[in-house]
Amino acid sequence: QQQVKQSPQSLIVQKGGISIINCAYENTAFDYFPWYQQFPGKGPALLIAIRPDVSEKKEGRFTISFNKSAKQFSLHIMDSQPGDSATYFCAASQRRGSTLGRLYFGRGTQLTVWP
Amino acid sequence: GAGVSQSPSNKVTEKGKDVELRCDPISGHTALYWYRQSLGQGLEFLIYFQGNSAPDKSGLPSDRFSAERTGGSVSTLTIQRTQQEDSAVYLCASSPQVNEQFFGPGTRLTVL
Repeated sequence: QQQVKQSPQSLIVQKGGISIINCAYENTAFDYFPWYQQFPGKGPALLIAIRPDVSEKKEGRFTISFNKSAKQFSLHIMDSQPGDSATYFCAASQRRGSTLGRLYFGRGTQLTVWP
Repeated sequence: GAGVSQSPSNKVTEKGKDVELRCDPISGHTALYWYRQSLGQGLEFLIYFQGNSAPDKSGLPSDRFSAERTGGSVSTLTIQRTQQEDSAVYLCASSPQVNEQFFGPGTRLTVL
């Protein structure tokens, strides 16, 4: 059972545009929601993360929007650049309980930004 | 400082052989995780070590998979009697605290 569902599977955006990737989860015990960026042949790198006590977090061109009641969160990349072309994974975990720290990942979104 | 390192970066083996994959976490990180990334799939949790506590092995797909962490630092993931479906990228991550995980570059395993 996929604990975190991610869409779209692939996304093509023009340079300067906004990239939006969406994720949904079922387990209300999740309390940590990171996004990872992965380039070919590399391991995932933590991009930005949010906890459910805030509805939005912004770091540079990257913003996470979080909707606790809908159990959804999304990544927005403003002014998308060709260098942003990568695979993006959303994830979720909980800080307590038997699955402490274990990350549940979405299946990833392959982003291509055309120059 | 140095990040998480993994070796080998690539491993090709024959079906039925045993393989060992190594992970060197970031110094001082108490938590260590192994994940598997198959083509077109997300990352699948395998096992989690936290300090001296018993590891969480709930993600290991079969008893052919095992892992150990010596001295609270280096970890080895062992796959016995490898099968073709074991072909994947095996990723290690370490964490200084709960949740924030830093990944290594992975080991690409190919079972012929």
